[in-house]
Amino acid sequence: EAGVTQSPTHLIKTRGQQVTLRCSPISGHTSVYWYQQALGLGLQFLLWYDEGEERNRGNFPPRFSGRQFPNYSSELNVNALELEDSALYLCASSFIFSKNQPQHFGDGTRLSIL
Amino acid sequence: KNEVEQSPQNLTAQEGEFITINCSYSVGISALHWLQQHPGGGIVSLFMLSSGKKKHGRLIATINIQEKHSSLHITASHPRDSAVYICATETSGSRLTFGEGTQLTVNP
Repeated sequence: EAGVTQSPTHLIKTRGQQVTLRCSPISGHTSVYWYQQALGLGLQFLLWYDEGEERNRGNFPPRFSGRQFPNYSSELNVNALELEDSALYLCASSFIFSKNQPQHFGDGTRLSIL
Repeated sequence: KNEVEQSPQNLTAQEGEFITINCSYSVGISALHWLQQHPGGGIVSLFMLSSGKKKHGRLIATINIQEKHSSLHITASHPRDSAVYICATETSGSRLTFGEGTQLTVNP
């Protein structure tokens, strides 16, 4: 069974640019979660998508957005990049209707803002 | 606001030692997760529990809902256990709140 895959693995951008990160969940998983791990701040919840809808959102500005496609893959978009957006962005997936099913994480996209 | 606190922040052990990492949280939760993160950044879910105790190989996780406390134990630790261990609580909306993590180093 293929795990959660994220692309790209690394990305370098400059302030003000826009970026799109991609995530493919495990086959059969309908929920996709996005997390940010910035240096010194630990992991923070960004977004949760399920069945194509945004279900929950963390304390991030509107320039962080995303979507989930009919095949359950997801994109995270970040507009007007700032230096503090430099972080590891992790995607996870799960099937929420299975009781006590953990989230499965991808290897992340490391985003550096210059 | 849900606060998740882990202790210790850093832990160095000798191979074979019994290790305990603690996690305390401040609000009612639907589940608690223990995660392992290796230096490359990849995260593996170790346990998800809402009551009692779970065991997988040399790893044991316990939770006390009344005391809002969970522990992760590693028996017969090995250098390959060296990683960051992260506690995360799950509340409504499948939202995870993470602890700061415990950096574990197991020396041969």
